[in-house]
Amino acid sequence: GAVVSQHPSRVICKSGTSVKIECRSLDFQATTMFWYRQFPKQSLMLMATSNEGSKATYEQGVEKDKFLINHASLTLSTLTVTSAHPEDSSFYICSAPRTSGGTYEQYFGPGTRLTVT
Amino acid sequence: AQSVAQPEDQVNVAEGNPLTVKCTYSVSGNPYLFWYVQYPNRGLQFLLKYITGDNLVKGSYGFEAEFNKSQTSFHLKKPSALVSDSALYFCAVRAPGSARQLTFGSGTQLTVLP
Repeated sequence: GAVVSQHPSRVICKSGTSVKIECRSLDFQATTMFWYRQFPKQSLMLMATSNEGSKATYEQGVEKDKFLINHASLTLSTLTVTSAHPEDSSFYICSAPRTSGGTYEQYFGPGTRLTVT
Repeated sequence: AQSVAQPEDQVNVAEGNPLTVKCTYSVSGNPYLFWYVQYPNRGLQFLLKYITGDNLVKGSYGFEAEFNKSQTSFHLKKPSALVSDSALYFCAVRAPGSARQLTFGSGTQLTVLP
């Protein structure tokens, strides 16, 4: 099946620094990718939709200047958490949808655990 | 707007017994429904989906789900639970023709007791 990777899997950074998380579709092209945030034992909350070649679409309440998204190519989207604070500590998951043979499926990356100290 | 409800935060079942994880949805039109499983500190793994056709959908690891349009439900089931099935389960919905992201339920923690 299709594979989506994320890098890094785990990152610890100091408050005030920026962190970049990469999401790659390894064997298919994705014009759209989704970024989710998950708090412990809670559901996935959609943060933004990343669009190749255009600006990302952010969900209500998500600061676009803090969570910078760049969809650089058909297989890569990046999420940069700028000026990170401890409350940004979370599990970040990306996904990429794929329609093949008329069926739709969304493939998820393994997630990135961000800890801000 | 589309929504998903998973009424149980936690489900406990003994190994070898049948398990059910409940999901109800609200969406305009015919829904696309999905179940995903998440192990600790891991991303989501796809289990099964309903798009159209038979109401009973069979998926990975022996799981199945039944689409019930009149009750707007898509409960996940397995005839005989394994300890290794213990994980967090998410139901998700997407309305056809809508934006392509999924709406997730709040998740149900399944614990299978040996």
